Amino acid sequence: KQEVTQIPAALSVPEGENLVLNCSFTDSAIYNLQWFRQDPGKGLTSLLLIQSSQREQTSGRLNASLDKSSGRSTLYIAASQPGDSATYLCAVTGGSEKLVFGKGMKLTVNP
Amino acid sequence: DVKVTQSSRYLVKRTGEKVFLECVQDMDHENMFWYRQDPGLGLRLIYFSYDVKMKEKGDIPEGYSVSREKKERFSLILESASTNQTSMYLCASSPRKGDEKLFFGSGTQLSVL
Repeated sequence: KQEVTQIPAALSVPEGENLVLNCSFTDSAIYNLQWFRQDPGKGLTSLLLIQSSQREQTSGRLNASLDKSSGRSTLYIAASQPGDSATYLCAVTGGSEKLVFGKGMKLTVNP
Repeated sequence: DVKVTQSSRYLVKRTGEKVFLECVQDMDHENMFWYRQDPGLGLRLIYFSYDVKMKEKGDIPEGYSVSREKKERFSLILESASTNQTSMYLCASSPRKGDEKLFFGSGTQLSVL
């Protein structure tokens, strides 16, 4: 059974730092991996989707990489801002075609 | 932009009531999903649908049913609400099989007293 892990569960940093958020998964037979952002009390917003054939995707200050063989993905946030404060979740789609989510990492960027 | 609309932001119900949670998407997506989100447990898939009148059980379907009579609408039904169904319920849609980019609604915080 696929399991997705995000460590640490929370991170607090000063504004301006470059950040790396980690995601690991146990079964490397995935179709794709997505990173989401969730603000308190709200739904999830898709940030980046990486297909299994891709190594990375970029959107603005965000860059996500995927290493299927090692079961890892990282989300890189450049020059963090207080507005980046949110919970970040990763999810993988595998053979069952259902997404399996990690429990998320709560990011706080302090001004 | 894709819009996924959940009918209620907050809902308070009594134990034993039948509860309907409605979700509508406006981008002709084939796939629709219902999740619940609980602190420490993350998101868990309740039911999903890949087409009209089609439904499949997710990881925690017990106590729930769904209805998809029209492509744009996916309803979650709690036949007899219980206190352990107090949760944040999130609806999502994606274009089709093979295109799993998910779009989420804002969520319904359900409290069962």
